[in-house]
Amino acid sequence: GAGVSQSPSNKVTEKGKDVELRCDPISGHTALYWYRQSLGQGLEFLIYFQGNSAPDKSGLPSDRFSAERTGGSVSTLTIQRTQQEDSAVYLCASSLYYPTYEQFFGPGTRLTVL
Amino acid sequence: GDSVTQMEGPVTLSEEAFLTINCTYTATGYPSLFWYVQYPGEGLQLLLKATKADDKGSNKGFEATYRKETTSFHLEKGSVQVSDSAVYFCALRTINFGNEKLTFGTGTRLTIIP
Repeated sequence: GAGVSQSPSNKVTEKGKDVELRCDPISGHTALYWYRQSLGQGLEFLIYFQGNSAPDKSGLPSDRFSAERTGGSVSTLTIQRTQQEDSAVYLCASSLYYPTYEQFFGPGTRLTVL
Repeated sequence: GDSVTQMEGPVTLSEEAFLTINCTYTATGYPSLFWYVQYPGEGLQLLLKATKADDKGSNKGFEATYRKETTSFHLEKGSVQVSDSAVYFCALRTINFGNEKLTFGTGTRLTIIP
């Protein structure tokens, strides 16, 4: 079946602009995760959704970052007033949560802030 | 907080050599442990996992044993191939107050020379 898909695959934006990154999880996966992969920070957890609910948003780097999930499916990660330090690959993953807990990762969105 | 300490790379080996990539962790409770692999140009894939102490995860000739007494989950392979060249990430899965996340090590880049 189809895996996790993310769009766009690449995004170049100017400092100060807002960007939206989209994640389509594997059909039927109730859990969805966002991570950021950057040279200086490695792989960093951002947020987790169970259904449409995110129990803890403290992993988001700043209040310029927000995420939502609708219909227990698609999720959007929004970065407002982008900064150069936001440049990274943003990864989305989904899982069935129980019983395997295995997270399946999408190919990522490479964000470059000029 | 939770953390994963992983052997720093890059690691370069000849084909058929024995591989060990060290991984130790700090976590409260009883985390599940994982090795993920990222082949060149591809997304993160689960390589193997172990969910409780003394479990051994194995896949594609790779093995890792969950050692609670030493808080370790070292990755081993008896005879590496050129196709094993990739970046390997050790990770632990925790659930705190309903928030599930993977905490990753910094990754170890492995290059196998024919």
